[in-house]
Amino acid sequence: DQQVKQNSPSLSVQEGRISILNCDYTNSMFDYFLWYKKYPAEGPTFLISISSIKDKNEDGRFTVFLNKSAKHLSLHIVPSQPGDSAVYFCAAARTGTASKLTFGTGTRLQVTL
Amino acid sequence: DVKVTQSSRYLVKRTGEKVFLECVQDMDHENMFWYRQDPGLGLRLIYFSYDVKMKEKGDIPEGYSVSREKKERFSLILESASTNQTSMYLCASSSIGTLSYNEQFFGPGTRLTVL
Repeated sequence: DQQVKQNSPSLSVQEGRISILNCDYTNSMFDYFLWYKKYPAEGPTFLISISSIKDKNEDGRFTVFLNKSAKHLSLHIVPSQPGDSAVYFCAAARTGTASKLTFGTGTRLQVTL
Repeated sequence: DVKVTQSSRYLVKRTGEKVFLECVQDMDHENMFWYRQDPGLGLRLIYFSYDVKMKEKGDIPEGYSVSREKKERFSLILESASTNQTSMYLCASSSIGTLSYNEQFFGPGTRLTVL
């Protein structure tokens, strides 16, 4: 049972345009959400997070939006750069579960010149 | 900077062999995790540990065991490797009560091939 889903396995965007990566979850007990970025042959690295008490969090070119009623979050990258080409995983957590994360299946972003 | 290291980047083993994957973190983190990453399936949690000698099953523990004798070290053991355990294995650690709640720091991964 996939509790966190990323329905787009891949996405191609031109440099300078906006990249929008989507994530849906089914467990209403999740109250914290994170995005990780992964390059080939490296471990994932933390990108940005959002608590369920907020609906938006911004960090430079990266913004995460949370729609709790729809159980949906999205990551916006503006403007997209070639170095953003990577696999992006969303992850969700519940308070009091020893920092256990449930990851989505990932979306491969390709930023083209 | 947090550093999580894994003993091997690439490993090739034969079916039936006992396999040890080692992970060490240098930031005194309480929590440590083992995941496997497979195409189309994302990262799936195998086991995690929130203290020395403590362990809990994740979502796919079958065929694996773990050991945490010291706070900084978390080992994943494949008692009898099988071909369906060919995968990328990722270790992670996190602290309780950090500002970045639940942020996990990952090692570079071990690509295991079982022939």
